[in-house]
Amino acid sequence: DAKTTQPPSMDCAEGRAANLPCNHSTISGNEYVYWYRQIHSQGPQYIIHGLKNNETNEMASLIITEDRKSSTLILPHATLRDTAVYYCIVRARSNFGNEKLTFGTGTRLTIIP
Amino acid sequence: NAGVMQNPRHLVRRRGQEARLRCSPMKGHSHVYWYRQLPEEGLKFMVYLQKENIIDESGMPKERFSAEFPKEGPSILRIQQVVRGDSAAYFCASSQWDRGRDTQYFGPGTRLTVL
Repeated sequence: DAKTTQPPSMDCAEGRAANLPCNHSTISGNEYVYWYRQIHSQGPQYIIHGLKNNETNEMASLIITEDRKSSTLILPHATLRDTAVYYCIVRARSNFGNEKLTFGTGTRLTIIP
Repeated sequence: NAGVMQNPRHLVRRRGQEARLRCSPMKGHSHVYWYRQLPEEGLKFMVYLQKENIIDESGMPKERFSAEFPKEGPSILRIQQVVRGDSAAYFCASSQWDRGRDTQYFGPGTRLTVL
């Protein structure tokens, strides 16, 4: 799996949009970008994933650059409950089985009241 | 639809004892993954299983650790003769087989403390 680079920490004011960047310059054509978050010591929570098109769901939006070398996770209206460590993961999808996730150090997002 | 279940949530063992961690995947999921998170570190992959088969155990320590996912019942991660360095949070994730629906969903974890 390709490596990702994320800022170690970020702050965001409550109610504002939180934009979390991720660099994955060595991503290959069959690798997807996944985002998970871990609130305190709970189990990681799936947020969103994409291949090359922008994606949106009830939790967040994922913007992937045209060259696929970087992406941004957007939490449109951050709340205090969004304080967590956010992990950007690139993961291949094969026809032979599901692939493991390789977690980096992530971004510690703190929402400020 | 119930999520991934893990038990126990907390487990305390003395050095040399055995630890058994259980994981029940989400309904309809046939793939199980185990990850370990040491204090103040990120999650590390340990093993990937399908029913009755170990597919990838590249992250498993060579000794004392084993995993199974029988045809019936939960997946079990077994740690024999535990040492203090085994103290960690152990997370299980599950996914479906379908290539378009293979997102991994995690359980709440088991926190193992070795005294």
